[in-house]
Amino acid sequence: AQSVSQHNHHVILSEAASLELGCNYSYGGTVNLFWYVQYPGQHLQLLLKYFSGDPLVKGIKGFEAEFIKSKFSFNLRKPSVQWSDTAEYFCAVNAYGNNRLAFGKGNQVVVIP
Amino acid sequence: GAGVSQTPSNKVTEKGKYVELRCDPISGHTALYWYRQSLGQGPEFLIYFQGTGAADDSGLPNDRFFAVRPEGSVSTLKIQRTERGDSAVYLCASSPSSSGGGDTQYFGPGTRLTVL
Repeated sequence: AQSVSQHNHHVILSEAASLELGCNYSYGGTVNLFWYVQYPGQHLQLLLKYFSGDPLVKGIKGFEAEFIKSKFSFNLRKPSVQWSDTAEYFCAVNAYGNNRLAFGKGNQVVVIP
Repeated sequence: GAGVSQTPSNKVTEKGKYVELRCDPISGHTALYWYRQSLGQGPEFLIYFQGTGAADDSGLPNDRFFAVRPEGSVSTLKIQRTERGDSAVYLCASSPSSSGGGDTQYFGPGTRLTVL
């Protein structure tokens, strides 16, 4: 079964700072990778996903993530955060052909105006 | 269009009681998923339906948990003899199909279950 590790569960930063959230997974085969975001009071929504092609994926709201197969990583980045990026971010993975998503524990990100 | 809806939004019950949680997926989505999210954790897979059949129920924790999707649309998660450890947010998601697992899963708002 796949497992996902996210570090630095709580992140606090100021507006305009850069954000990078780490995500590592354990599975040796082909994977699909996702970042989901949950804004306060809202439900989970997709930020971006990777399933093939260019390992640098661009998502909504200026977020991007890079798949590094050799490191089993799919780190999320945003060069300059805004107060509205305050949310919880979850990395998820499924093995190709298997629809069950395995989620990490999430990163609670607070952006101070 | 309408997203995934779940009812009730909150459910408080007593230990030992039976509960049913309902999920209405996005219209036309053939795949439906149930996850459970405990405090401080990410969502944990429970079961996945393709159409009316459970394609993968390996995440159900024990035989007190059961889910159905009789007409390939609405699904009901049923929990018998609830225990305090069942307290969590139960999330439902749907996707257009199940090809390769790369389809985006669209999540509902969840049902917060509290077992006293």
